[in-house]
Amino acid sequence: QVQLQESGPGLVKPSETLSLTCTVSGDSISSYYWSWIRQPPGKGLEWLGYIYYTGITNYNASLQSRVTISIATSRNQFSLTLSSVTTADTAIYYCAHGRDYFFDYWGQGTLVTVSS
Amino acid sequence: SYEVTQPLSVSVALGQTARITCAGNNIGSKNVHWYQQKPGQAPVLVIYRDTNRPSVIPARMSGSNSGNTATLTISRAQAGDEADYYCQVWDSSVIFGGGTKLTVL
Repeated sequence: QVQLQESGPGLVKPSETLSLTCTVSGDSISSYYWSWIRQPPGKGLEWLGYIYYTGITNYNASLQSRVTISIATSRNQFSLTLSSVTTADTAIYYCAHGRDYFFDYWGQGTLVTVSS
Repeated sequence: SYEVTQPLSVSVALGQTARITCAGNNIGSKNVHWYQQKPGQAPVLVIYRDTNRPSVIPARMSGSNSGNTATLTISRAQAGDEADYYCQVWDSSVIFGGGTKLTVL
């Protein structure tokens, strides 16, 4: 069974860069797709993007200019960076394992608050 | 860009059948996936590719997809089924519905 765990700062200042890492256990990261999905408090789910284990990426067009997803296969990790954050980026950030464009395993999520 | 629409809320009496819809233009031509999210928890996949259930999901949950509407059906609704439910499709990008809050009365 695949397990995912998000890690990173819980507080980021406006205009700075949000950085999170997802550590995968129970399976090799060298297969399938790996995604980041977020959920503002009390709101719905928003997909940020995915990375294939080969390094191919696909991002949400509305965030594409600010989002970067990278993968470190040797560490079984993948990461998210989101630049120039505003309070609208405050959300629970989930990492997820993707298969055929659906998500069968999710991390527990980490709350990131954007505030000065 | 493609959009999918869900009702904000659905109510069902205990033991009855709940149906949660996901509407989109010709959604029947796409694969629809459903997630259940309970308060304070991560979403859980309950239906994938329209009708398939992960092994840990009870058979009371089923899915269908035709025309412009996909439906998640929950039979013999239990108090533990109270949650937010999201549909999701792929259309050159991952698209989630806005979510439906299921209340079991």
